[in-house]
Amino acid sequence: NAGVTQTPKFQVLKTGQSMTLQCAQDMNHNSMYWYRQDPGMGLRLIYYSASEGTTDKGEVPNGYNVSRLNKREFSLRLESAAPSQTSVYFCASSPHGGGQETQYFGPGTRLLVL
Amino acid sequence: KNQVEQSPQSLIILEGKNCTLQCNYTVSPFSNLRWYKQDTGRGPVSLTIMTFSENTKSNGRYTATLDADTKQSSLHITASQLSDSASYICVVSVGGSYIPTFGRGTSLIVHP
Repeated sequence: NAGVTQTPKFQVLKTGQSMTLQCAQDMNHNSMYWYRQDPGMGLRLIYYSASEGTTDKGEVPNGYNVSRLNKREFSLRLESAAPSQTSVYFCASSPHGGGQETQYFGPGTRLLVL
Repeated sequence: KNQVEQSPQSLIILEGKNCTLQCNYTVSPFSNLRWYKQDTGRGPVSLTIMTFSENTKSNGRYTATLDADTKQSSLHITASQLSDSASYICVVSVGGSYIPTFGRGTSLIVHP
């Protein structure tokens, strides 16, 4: 099992460019999440998908959109990147749903917006 | 507002020594508390998960405690190893919510 995989590992964008971060899990988990991690701050939830076919906003959804393509895949899209979106992005999954479960994280995507 | 505060912010110890990391929270209604370990450049990995009724839980050389009355948790690392160098993150979940509250983490460096 690969667990949770993310692509790309690293990306540099110019302000205003768009991109999609990809995430896939092979653990047959129902729920998936996107977080951002900034220096000196805790992980913050951007969006989550409780189950296939549903998505909901987290704490910091502005500037992002998500797609739960199928049970395995959950993508995060930046339509018009801004320097404030420079961060490390983590995708996670959990078996049945609910913030109370242990979440399994991917290796992260490091994004730099110039 | 739900908050999780961790201390110290950073810690340096010698290999073989013990250490204790602290987590204070103001989260309601409390569901559970988890400790994660995050190696540099990697995603967090779960160490322990504790519910309201659990006082202590161990995972090898890691022992977590929870005092639900004072809303405090600690993570004790015994006989530290170089591989323990990482950030340790305390996460508290609210009942009925998909949005956990993360602490900012304690950065631990173990020197030989």
